[in-house]
Amino acid sequence: EVQLVDSGGGLVKPGGSLRLSCAASGFTFSSYSMNWVRQAPGKGLEWVSSISSSGSYMYPADSVRGRFTISRDNAKNSLYLQMNSLRAEDTAVYYCARGPTLCSTTTCYTPYFDYWGQGTLVTVSS
Amino acid sequence: QSALTQPASVSGSPGQSITISCTGASSDVGGYNYVSWYQQHPGKAPKLMIYDVSERPSGVSNRFSGSKSGNTASLTLSGLQAEDEADYYCCSYAGSGTYVFGTGTKVTVL
Repeated sequence: EVQLVDSGGGLVKPGGSLRLSCAASGFTFSSYSMNWVRQAPGKGLEWVSSISSSGSYMYPADSVRGRFTISRDNAKNSLYLQMNSLRAEDTAVYYCARGPTLCSTTTCYTPYFDYWGQGTLVTVSS
Repeated sequence: QSALTQPASVSGSPGQSITISCTGASSDVGGYNYVSWYQQHPGKAPKLMIYDVSERPSGVSNRFSGSKSGNTASLTLSGLQAEDEADYYCCSYAGSGTYVFGTGTKVTVL
């Protein structure tokens, strides 16, 4: 059974840092793209960042570029999101999500997100 | 990366059919056949319902179907059931490894 378990959320002050983790099991982690999607309280879904199966390609949304860094450890079946310079507008539930990997000549990406973690809440407030 | 446009709410009676639209641009919905749809019940994680515009994952009811015309994708729910009451989001690949979600639609079963 595919399982994704998100952790690492909490309360942090503006300008602070936090590292989210996603523990994967039930599938060959190194064969899939992994992604972070967030949802602010009462709002819709927003794609945050993606990383290819090998970790060679990483893509951030404009809203987090330069502040958030996605990474993965295929030996530990784990996905991470390092979040720096946090702002109030980063307050959200953060979900990790799996997706199949497709590669063109210049990039690797996933066409959809087929399994999701349960989410971890990040609150940025003084 | 502007959000795709969905109606805020759609409602129908049990047994009826409803359709949710998802309008983007030639740089996302119109440019790729990588539109997916997600169902989200309150307090739960999203669930994949349709991928690659019209494909259904194993285990998803055939009452759910997807289509696309130009820059607009659509999700149709046939034979509406009480358990279908949830929020629905479309999502499209937008090139260069990026994605854009829709604004979300609340489906109410009357």
